[in-house]
Amino acid sequence: QKEVEQDPGPLSVPEGAIVSLNCTYSNSAFQYFMWYRQYSRKGPELLMYTYSSGNKEDGRFTAQVDKSSKYISLFIRDSQPSDSATYLCATDKGGTSYGKLTFGQGTILTVHP
Amino acid sequence: DTGVSQDPRHKITKRGQNVTFRCDPISEHNRLYWYRQTLGQGPEFLTYFQNEAQLEKSRLLSDRFSAERPKGSFSTLEIQRTEQGDSAMYLCASGWLNTGELFFGEGSRLTVL
Repeated sequence: QKEVEQDPGPLSVPEGAIVSLNCTYSNSAFQYFMWYRQYSRKGPELLMYTYSSGNKEDGRFTAQVDKSSKYISLFIRDSQPSDSATYLCATDKGGTSYGKLTFGQGTILTVHP
Repeated sequence: DTGVSQDPRHKITKRGQNVTFRCDPISEHNRLYWYRQTLGQGPEFLTYFQNEAQLEKSRLLSDRFSAERPKGSFSTLEIQRTEQGDSAMYLCASGWLNTGELFFGEGSRLTVL
């Protein structure tokens, strides 16, 4: 079993829809949680970086972490065709392991006009 | 600073040849990371440097792989005697000391024929 599980999709939604992307993790040592967006043949781009359980909002994006159930989510409001990409969740233990990220498989999202 | 840059963007080589990738991190960052990403998967940690010191190597990094960061600036990743299984995207990222917030380059795609 992988330490971070993510449904690869693909997920297809109409423009303007609310998108929900999810990951689960198994290691309680993970303390930091991230969402990256990756366009085809490009490097991952950091969208959200969170530490504690709860919500963090940035524009149309909301990251949610529930450490008790080891569940992390990303919500995209008013989705746009430009949001079409692969979304990767990632976790980090912190401490001496800062930056040694464990990624999910990625979810392929398509937003059609 | 324009971000993390990687070179070459794409390398096609024959099995058994040696290849080298270069990464120039964001100048003010003191940590540099290498990740590998295969098709349909999330990136996997390979190794990282703090300034010029290589602090950790993943078990994924076989003896044919070597990474250096002379003078704590750019880094190189060399793969000797390439195998078809080495075909992947090699991603470089950089970040500050006490955070897992990483900034990735566009990647170097390796195709081994």
